[in-house]
Amino acid sequence: AQSVTQLGSHVSVSEGALVLLRCNYSSSVPPYLFWYVQYPNQGLQLLLKYTTGATLVKGINGFEAEFKKSETSFHLTKPSAHMSDAAEYFCAVSGYNNNDMRFGAGTRLTVKP
Amino acid sequence: EAGVTQFPSHSVIEKGQTVTLRCDPISGHDNLYWYRRVMGKEIKFLLHFVKESKQDESGMPNNRFLAERTGGTYSTLKVQPAELEDSGVYFCASSQGWANEKLFFGSGTQLSVL
Repeated sequence: AQSVTQLGSHVSVSEGALVLLRCNYSSSVPPYLFWYVQYPNQGLQLLLKYTTGATLVKGINGFEAEFKKSETSFHLTKPSAHMSDAAEYFCAVSGYNNNDMRFGAGTRLTVKP
Repeated sequence: EAGVTQFPSHSVIEKGQTVTLRCDPISGHDNLYWYRRVMGKEIKFLLHFVKESKQDESGMPNNRFLAERTGGTYSTLKVQPAELEDSGVYFCASSQGWANEKLFFGSGTQLSVL
């Protein structure tokens, strides 16, 4: 069985500051890990995903995440926040297929000018 | 290319009434999923269609929920009769494959049961 815990339901950063959104997972099989983003009044969009291979995954809009098996973590980072990054971010883990996918409760990112 | 569309975007009904949500997936996507998010909690899987067949409906809360996918195109999710705890955002997603394929989400239907 898979599960995800996102630490912090709300994160606030200043424009230009580092963005760090935390995600820890639990999985009984080698995990596939995802970050999705939801902008206001839109559906969730895939930011990035980890399957196998390189543990540092680069996504769209300058985001990246690192898979750390020893820490069961998949934290999302961006070096410099932009106002347009304000959104809700969801971490997800799956096993063999999409039906196994489990989402976290989401982290709402606010970017202050 | 049109994305996943959901209708209505908002629905407010009274307890005991019936509501039907609709999802139009991306054309050519055989896989269609329904999810629900209640009160800012995690997004939970409800069910999965492959074309017109229910592949997995293990997440459906109870028999008040009925999902259909006529002809393998659009899908409907009916709640009858609605209860207060059914309130939440219902998301639909589609994908080409189902082995950890990228999911394309609709913007959701906000259901409020009063």
